[in-house]
Order: sequence, then structure tokens, then C-alpha cells
Amino acid sequence: ETGVTQTPRHLVMGMTNKKSLKCEQHLGHNAMYWYKQSAKKPLELMFVYSLEERVENNSVPSRFSPECPNSSHLFLHLHTLQPEDSALYLCASSQASGQGAASYTFGSGTRLTVV
Amino acid sequence: GNSVTQMEGPVTLSEEAFLTINCTYTATGYPSLFWYVQYPGEGLQLLLKATKADDKGSNKGFEATYRKETTSFHLEKGSVQVSDSAVYFCALSASSNDYKLSFGAGTTVTVRA
Repeated sequence: ETGVTQTPRHLVMGMTNKKSLKCEQHLGHNAMYWYKQSAKKPLELMFVYSLEERVENNSVPSRFSPECPNSSHLFLHLHTLQPEDSALYLCASSQASGQGAASYTFGSGTRLTVV
Repeated sequence: GNSVTQMEGPVTLSEEAFLTINCTYTATGYPSLFWYVQYPGEGLQLLLKATKADDKGSNKGFEATYRKETTSFHLEKGSVQVSDSAVYFCALSASSNDYKLSFGAGTTVTVRA
């Protein structure tokens, strides 16, 4: 148990579907992140939320829509995806200050396949 | 900007062999440095960290020393096991208080019995 739980673990969706990825942490962290991990590429930071406000959006296409309703939950809403969006999507949380990056905790990820 | 470069894999070793994964960084100021490990089917886990020059991080037999003069943070283990097969990521944050991490591309290590 890593302290950060992601559901579902696996998702197969068609290009016209709408789905959501969920991330939950009960570590008392106040920053949450979405990363995309594709084969043979560096981890791509997609979104950063600090104190429930989006503080970073790294040129992510609008077909990915994040939502952070509170400090414990983070969602990634997906619609009209493309096959190249198939990847492992990782959620992480940390303290926004103090220990900072040293407190980073990752979830196990959602393996997304777009068909 | 801040960035991390680590050696490309894959790396294949026999059990009890010596492992080194090179990592160099570019950063202004005084970054903190990290190694993360990702076992098959799992997310990333913090393996070790160092927050200032000459610090040595260590865990599970792995070590890495923060070398400011060579801007490096190479990961080493003296005798690997099959269970060390994983993807290893070098990462940095701009300071010990900064919450943002920059990751390297990852190095896949396979240890054969």
C-alpha cells in the first residue's frame, strides 16, 4: 500500500468514450499531480494542484480535464482520446512546502489503452 | 531550466554483479537529488535522496553521492539480485523545499539468475 490509490488499474476505451481516472490520498499532503508515462520517454508532468488550485498545466490537450474537489482527491476526465494517448497515468502527492519533493508518493497508475 | 540526464538502458546483469547507473544534472542554485525505482506493474517509489553536496543517500544496498563538482548523482550497488530488476529514475527538485520534481528518462535494469 503506497498511500496513494488509483482506480481503475486498467482501462480500455474507444476514441468516442468519456471516462475518468481517480486518485485518492490520505497522507495529509496538499499537492497532487498527474504524470503520463509512455514507453521510452521521460515522465511527462501534466498537471499540478497545490492547495486545490491548479498551478501548472503543461500544454496538455483539452481532451484531458483535471479536477481536484478537495486535497485528498484528484480526477482526470478523458474524452475523445487518440490512440497515442495510450500510456500509464500516474498520480502523485506531496507536501507543497517543508519537505517538498522528499515527500512525493506515487500511486500504482492506471494503464490506459485507447482503441 | 533544471534537467536530469541518465544513462540509456536497458542494462542486463548477472546476479551478484556490480551495478552503476549514471546520472548528471543541470540546475541553478542548490538542488535536491533523488533516485526512484519502479517495479513491474507498480508506481514509482523513492529509493534514496541527498539534499546537499557530498551527501550520500543509501537504501537497500544502493548508494549515490551528490557530487557538485561533476554535477552527478550516480547510483551504485555492489551485488545485485534478481529482485532488483526494475526501472530506475533519477530526479531533482530545485531546492529542499521545492515540491516539483524533474525526472530523467529512466533506465531499465534486468538481473538474471
